Amino acid sequence: EDQVTQSPEALRLQEGESSSLNCSYTVSGLRGLFWYRQDPGKGPEFLFTLYSAGEEKEKERLKATLTKKESFLHITAPKPEDSATYLCAVLWLGYGGSQGNLIFGKGTKLSVKP
Amino acid sequence: DVKVTQSSRYLVKRTGEKVFLECVQDMDHENMFWYRQDPGLGLRLIYFSYDVKMKEKGDIPEGYSVSREKKERFSLILESASTNQTSMYLCATARDRGETQYFGPGTRLLVL
Repeated sequence: EDQVTQSPEALRLQEGESSSLNCSYTVSGLRGLFWYRQDPGKGPEFLFTLYSAGEEKEKERLKATLTKKESFLHITAPKPEDSATYLCAVLWLGYGGSQGNLIFGKGTKLSVKP
Repeated sequence: DVKVTQSSRYLVKRTGEKVFLECVQDMDHENMFWYRQDPGLGLRLIYFSYDVKMKEKGDIPEGYSVSREKKERFSLILESASTNQTSMYLCATARDRGETQYFGPGTRLLVL
């Protein structure tokens, strides 16, 4: 069973059509949740870190929120240049040597058509 | 700005070859990580290092080793490349464990 699940796997939007991506997690003892953007053939680019339920972060058309078991990445009036794969990762208390390591979801591939 | 560089963007190797992937960071970060990324499997941690000459196994260390002789440099070694090691390899760095990880551009390795 995946510890971090992202949905949907793929999302196609028209330019200007707002939507949300979901990241749910089953680990206990969350220490942080990270959102990244990844363009094809490139490394992930850091977007946000959230540490506690109720926290929100914004950057341009993106807003990330966190509850006790999930996070949302809201995209307001997206543009074609927002097309990318969005990854979330959780940092948890873990056990033994895994403490301090990230667990990644498989990502949501976003396509924004003009 | 954190800068993480990887020695090659694309690499083609033959089965059985020894392969070196190098990662260099310029931010004086203590922690460095090697991941591989495969379609449908996401990012999986191979090895990490929290200090010079220190290394820890991640989730999938089999077939790999690492070297960290200097703080800024973390190398991933495929002792004898196999076709199932064809993948995108990503290096990341973080100031402290549990803090934001910053990624390099990735190396796409093809093993024939």
